[in-house]
Order: sequence, then structure tokens, then C-alpha cells
Amino acid sequence: QSALTQPPSVSGSPGQSVTISCTGTSSDVGSYNRVSWYQQPPGTAPKLMIYEVNTRPSGVPDRFSGSKSGNTASLTISGLQAEDEADYYCGSHAGNTFLFGGGTKLTVL
Amino acid sequence: QVQLQESGPGLVKPSETLSLTCGVSGYSISSGYSWAWIRQFPGKGLEWLASIDHRWNTYYNPSLKSRVSMSLDTSKNQFSLKLNSVTAADTAVYYCVRYDYGSGSIFDYWGQGTLVTVSS
Repeated sequence: QSALTQPPSVSGSPGQSVTISCTGTSSDVGSYNRVSWYQQPPGTAPKLMIYEVNTRPSGVPDRFSGSKSGNTASLTISGLQAEDEADYYCGSHAGNTFLFGGGTKLTVL
Repeated sequence: QVQLQESGPGLVKPSETLSLTCGVSGYSISSGYSWAWIRQFPGKGLEWLASIDHRWNTYYNPSLKSRVSMSLDTSKNQFSLKLNSVTAADTAVYYCVRYDYGSGSIFDYWGQGTLVTVSS
């Protein structure tokens, strides 16, 4: 099974909104609502930001939201802040395995 | 607060076995949840390697199944990874993580990661 597909990079200015897509197949993203998103600032371990497509763990700002349509999941960050600059990874349960996306670098201009 | 810490050699020779241990504090691994290993390649991609639950049920990435194994040591509250016949392609940062299948297959607590380089 191949990794999930994410755009290599996205950018936005402070206060704007950006959306990162995560495309899988009917065997992973399309079959399960077990899609999660992780934020990784440079030099740190990934941090869970969204799970079960659109649920935020305690402590994650409500500027972060998730959605899914068919085989594609999306992470939207509204009201961009400088501290949001990081790599973002999607992940999905896929039957007998777990798949990650290749990662998207978010640059806050 | 759950904390995880990886330990093991930072350099492994090609064809040898990579062995890592993850010490867990703040939670007894025999009480529940699952535990996993994830690696991050130098080009930044993440790959799930394996998971084990508190009943010792193991799950392995099909692409690595013949080379990878996990085990628990409940007396030391730690779990381990072994990856056989390594090559340069196994060079990566290895993370130990807590895996919560019940909450949507999430990795909610991560170690800081340890860089393992495969080189002669």
C-alpha cells in the first residue's frame, strides 16, 4: 500500500486560512473515519492535532478543523499564526496497516 | 503525564539487527492501550512499523513483516523493537509511541525520537 498523497507545501499570510489535502483510496481514507492529522515543528516529535476526521484533542485551538469527502481528507487552519509554521502529516487506518501522508510544509508568510 | 524514551545504538552495520527499547513512565503498559514504533526518514516521510497491545497481540507493517518484531517487558514497563537484516534504507529517526485504537487509531504520546544510522 502506498503512502497517502499530500501537497509538498502550502503557504498563507497571518490571519488567512489554508487547507491541506490528503488523498488516499477506498481501502484507507475512503473506508474509515480513522483519519488523523499531526503537526511537527522543526526538531520536535509529531503532535496529534485532529483525530476521527474532525475531532480536536484537548488543548488544540479551534482554528484547526478537519473534514473528509470520499477518498480525500482535509485539514483547515483558519486565522493563521506564525506559530502554525510546521510540517503537517495525515494518517489513516488501512485495515491491517496504518498509512501516513508524505507531509506538507506550511509556511506563514 | 505519559512519557516515552527511546534507547539503543545510534549506529548499526548493514545486515545486522537494529534493537531499540522504549521506557514508559506515567502509565503501566500492562493496563491497556497499545504501543508502537514509527520511523521518519531523512526526507521526512513517516512510516508505521509495528504495534503491540497489552495482551501481546502484535501487528506488523506488511512491507516489513518478515524483518520486524516487537515485545513487551512489563516488569520494566518498557517495550522493544527488533529489525533484522538492515540496510542503508533503514536509516531514520525511530519514535516509540502510544497507540489508541479505540479513539480512532491515534498516536497520542510520542518519544523524542532516536536517530539510527545504518553504515559500515
